[in-house]
Amino acid sequence: NAGVTQTPKFRVLKTGQSMTLLCAQDMNHEYMYWYRQDPGMGLRLIHYSVGEGTTAKGEVPDGYNVSRLKKQNFLLGLESAAPSQTSVYFCASNPSTEGGHQPQHFGDGTRLSIL
Amino acid sequence: GQNIDQPTEMTATEGAIVQINCTYQTSGFNGLFWYQQHAGEAPTFLSYNVLDGLEEKGRFSSFLSRSKGYSYLLLKELQMKDSASYLCAVRDSNYQLIWGAGTKLIIKP
Repeated sequence: NAGVTQTPKFRVLKTGQSMTLLCAQDMNHEYMYWYRQDPGMGLRLIHYSVGEGTTAKGEVPDGYNVSRLKKQNFLLGLESAAPSQTSVYFCASNPSTEGGHQPQHFGDGTRLSIL
Repeated sequence: GQNIDQPTEMTATEGAIVQINCTYQTSGFNGLFWYQQHAGEAPTFLSYNVLDGLEEKGRFSSFLSRSKGYSYLLLKELQMKDSASYLCAVRDSNYQLIWGAGTKLIIKP
């Protein structure tokens, strides 16, 4: 059981380039999330999805787009990368958020550097 | 605004006990989570509190006081492998997790 898988694990981009980060989960979870983690700061929510075909903005959505065409996949796109987007990106998923504790399960992260 | 406060770093000795505090101010409360994150790795779930009181799980316990906006994670019989960052997160009224910056715990032999 792989859980949450992120690809790629590392990437270096030049300013202005575009790329897509892929998150795949095999736990049949409804909810999926993209976070960024920067030194000295808590995880910050970029975008999230409560089900196939739905997405919503989080705390820091600017410069990013997402898609959830299939329940198991959640894609994060950077249309025109900027140095401020250098970060570690984590994908997470959970079955639902209501009716009790459902912890989020995290992928191993993507370390992205923008030069 | 919403805010989660934790100490930035703590040091403890192998075999000892350490308490990591977390205070929060959020719009609504639907539970508090503690996660462990080793350097370069993903956060992993440790504990969940939604009612006041202590939840015990082996060497780890977590306490919650909703009236005080306060929680702590207690780690007993510390081992070197417990060296990690410990993240406190609160689920707000929109069921989103608000994360603290984490407490880096250094264990010395």
